[in-house]
Amino acid sequence: DAKTTQPTSMDCAEGRAANLPCNHSTISGNEYVYWYRQIHSQGPQYIIHGLKNNETNEMASLIITEDRKSSTLILPHATLRDTAVYYCIVRDAGFGNEKLTFGTGTRLTIIP
Amino acid sequence: DTGVSQDPRHKITKRGQNVTFRCDPISEHNRLYWYRQTLGQGPEFLTYFQNEAQLEKSRLLSDRFSAERPKGSFSTLEIQRTEQGDSAMYLCASSFPQGVGEQYFGPGTRLTVT
Repeated sequence: DAKTTQPTSMDCAEGRAANLPCNHSTISGNEYVYWYRQIHSQGPQYIIHGLKNNETNEMASLIITEDRKSSTLILPHATLRDTAVYYCIVRDAGFGNEKLTFGTGTRLTIIP
Repeated sequence: DTGVSQDPRHKITKRGQNVTFRCDPISEHNRLYWYRQTLGQGPEFLTYFQNEAQLEKSRLLSDRFSAERPKGSFSTLEIQRTEQGDSAMYLCASSFPQGVGEQYFGPGTRLTVT
């Protein structure tokens, strides 16, 4: 069972920041938060992951609340190519916990 | 291109036929994963390998499904006696062995069973 809750869909204007929320209220201390996205007809693409500190890379920023029960993925300047389904996943990084458990994700549409 | 590759990209087959898909992971990655995705759903885990050893199989992987990775490099996924319910996108991913390593996905093989 997916351990995360995400809105089904969101719209964002091109050039604005896209903020995608994720609830993971049952996350345990060993579990990381991962974000992947899937553009239509392609395989999922890794975006970012974190444990408890905020993280930033060339694609996005990940903000994790202090209690770790929720997080927000931020795409700072959304473009039309960011239109995709975004998946928030929690995964224990220990050996034997290899699989990613995807939910249905958030369908993000960037509006010109 | 040094990403994960899958072949074929599309396969149409008749019910009852056998099909085989191939996945070539990123060359330095020793972990390889198979997932299945049906329309409107997120990918579902099927199985994974570390080198040539198959270490976990999902309940979704019925007896008609078999996966191999004989030399620890490419992998094949075979479906015997296909059923219409097998129609889906079959995705392969690979990763380094460290615990928090991200998985890199291929473009998938779309199977249609008629």
